[in-house]
Amino acid sequence: ETGVTQSPTHLIKTRGQQVTLRCSSQSGHNTVSWYQQALGQGPQFIFQYYREEENGRGNFPPRFSGLQFPNYSSELNVNALELDDSALYLCASSRKLAGGVDTQYFGPGTRLTVL
Amino acid sequence: AQKVTQAQTEISVVEKEDVTLDCVYETRDTTYYLFWYKQPPSGELVFLIRRNSFDEQNEISGRYSWNFQKSTSSFNFTITASQVVDSAVYFCALSGGNNAGNMLTFGGGTRLMVKP
Repeated sequence: ETGVTQSPTHLIKTRGQQVTLRCSSQSGHNTVSWYQQALGQGPQFIFQYYREEENGRGNFPPRFSGLQFPNYSSELNVNALELDDSALYLCASSRKLAGGVDTQYFGPGTRLTVL
Repeated sequence: AQKVTQAQTEISVVEKEDVTLDCVYETRDTTYYLFWYKQPPSGELVFLIRRNSFDEQNEISGRYSWNFQKSTSSFNFTITASQVVDSAVYFCALSGGNNAGNMLTFGGGTRLMVKP
């Protein structure tokens, strides 16, 4: 186990609703990244948070937003849910390195179904 | 733009066979990092290995080995004497040393089925 936790495990919402997903990072990690994994595909980068600020964003619309808290935990918020938002949402934690890239360790994911 | 291609979408082998999963990448970064992750049916991505672009040494860890070749932009993964527990989806991923956020770009994954 990585020590990265996510909640809830599963979630069912209807189109147009809003959802909040939560992630607790591994001890000693200060960076959290979020990924969306549609069925049968590889994960797609949504954004990353470091020091409570967004530190990079993938090709996702503004209705995908996030927060990072002083304890390095994070939330992913999705507004105006669409059917295509149905996916596994993965959170990964890592350390911010001065020169280089740290390994990202993933949580178990939240399976979101939009009806 | 970065890209990772895993041409094999699904591989089926019988237990104890050796199997190689292919990964080809594209990047303009001079420094970059390659990763392999395993995703069992439970869904969690399990980190297997990380390789820096300036280190082309191949690596062996038990039944697992990795062959990194910069000349062909490939980072292939071999499982020797496969076991049923190796059944999973395997992802190759790339992170550029210069990109903001150090995002991982994943391939489409290879589903490995090991039959008893």
